[in-house]
Amino acid sequence: SYDLTQPPSVSVSPGQTATISCSGAGLAETFACWYQQKPGQSPVVIIYQDSKRPSGIPERFSGSSSGNTATLTISGAQAMDEADYYCQAWDSRSALYVFGTGTKVTVL
Amino acid sequence: EVQLVESGGGLVQPGGSLRLSCAASGFTFSVYAMNWVRQAPGKGLEWVSVISGSGSYTYSADSVKGRFTMSRDNSKNILYLQMNSLRAEDTAVYYCAKASDYPDPQALDYFDHWGQGTLVTVSS
Repeated sequence: SYDLTQPPSVSVSPGQTATISCSGAGLAETFACWYQQKPGQSPVVIIYQDSKRPSGIPERFSGSSSGNTATLTISGAQAMDEADYYCQAWDSRSALYVFGTGTKVTVL
Repeated sequence: EVQLVESGGGLVQPGGSLRLSCAASGFTFSVYAMNWVRQAPGKGLEWVSVISGSGSYTYSADSVKGRFTMSRDNSKNILYLQMNSLRAEDTAVYYCAKASDYPDPQALDYFDHWGQGTLVTVSS
């Protein structure tokens, strides 16, 4: 299986744009999704199939993917966006799901 | 409304066993693959295992292969995780998570609903 690598932390000022990368050797062959997890809570999906947004997820969250890197963008970050973010993908060769290493987003 | 409620966590000694359960409601349970995901204290998410909608096959992470067994009872809408030969590094909150659309794990799928988690502590 392959690893999905994310930056440990990202800081962003309120109203500015934060980008989080997710890099892995197998990403070019699969789809990525993204989860947001706030302290003491269960994860919530915010992006699936690289760039689709579930109903109820604010438009400021967007996703993209190119080659072996998926990217989550938070446009106009708000204080409520402070959380840990994880990418995830299905590794069909190994028949297992992989989570990224996680990124802590701080809005200050 | 989809609900997933885990139970069965607790304190167990190294080498011991524990069975987790996840009671599901609000959707047609047998139509969807189900997963277990864990999170060690202060650490990231780690996928543990997936079971197909029919329950006919499972896949597991290398870290638990041969020690953990996932199963489901589609007549009772309950998911299980039998954990044997537990180690200190298995200490974590264990979440059950529902696949979004498919009975079989695949690239298009994601986890659209999660339970609140149950804490497993392996310590002497």
